[in-house]
Amino acid sequence: SQQGEEDPQALSIQEGENATMNCSYKTSINNLQWYRQNSGRGLVHLILIRSNEREKHSGRLRVTLDTSKKSSSLLITASRAADTASYFCATENTGTASKLTFGTGTRLQVTL
Amino acid sequence: DAGVIQSPRHEVTEMGQEVTLRCKPISGHNSLFWYRQTMMRGLELLIYFNNNVPIDDSGMPEDRFSAKMPNASFSTLKIQPSEPRDSAVYFCASRLGQNQPQHFGDGTRLSIL
Repeated sequence: SQQGEEDPQALSIQEGENATMNCSYKTSINNLQWYRQNSGRGLVHLILIRSNEREKHSGRLRVTLDTSKKSSSLLITASRAADTASYFCATENTGTASKLTFGTGTRLQVTL
Repeated sequence: DAGVIQSPRHEVTEMGQEVTLRCKPISGHNSLFWYRQTMMRGLELLIYFNNNVPIDDSGMPEDRFSAKMPNASFSTLKIQPSEPRDSAVYFCASRLGQNQPQHFGDGTRLSIL
């Protein structure tokens, strides 16, 4: 079942703007991961944030995690046309440590 | 570095035929996952293996689906007999260990006519 719910479902911005995607989940987690999927390709891992971490950065990506609210956000700064893709959050839940439960994804369109 | 390799990339076959999807995980990874992705249901975990042993197959839709991992470098997902509702993109992913990211192949796009 899909635990994570991304918000918004679709986002369209212009190149250079920032994009923020949100993810909510329901159960306690070991970690939360963000993935990108380009059309016709597999998912590519972006960032993993553990349950005891609150913020993580990787290049133009910033991920926050609020375990009290069971939510996470992914910020892409200074977006580029190449960032156009679907973005998924996935949780590794406590008690089912090997499994990832994926959300429904946010489709990001970055226009020139 | 070679990533996760899946074959075939595309498969079109008629209802009732046996379908075999193949996956070669990244060398050294000890967990392997099979997923199915459709517009209606999103990304669903079908089965995963740790150290070649099936751990959780609760996501396998029905008895028509079976998966094997005879060794650390190869896994198959079989559908027999196939049905049109099995049409989807099937992904294989592997992982080094817990609290590590999963690495996905580019998937097999399966169409059952």
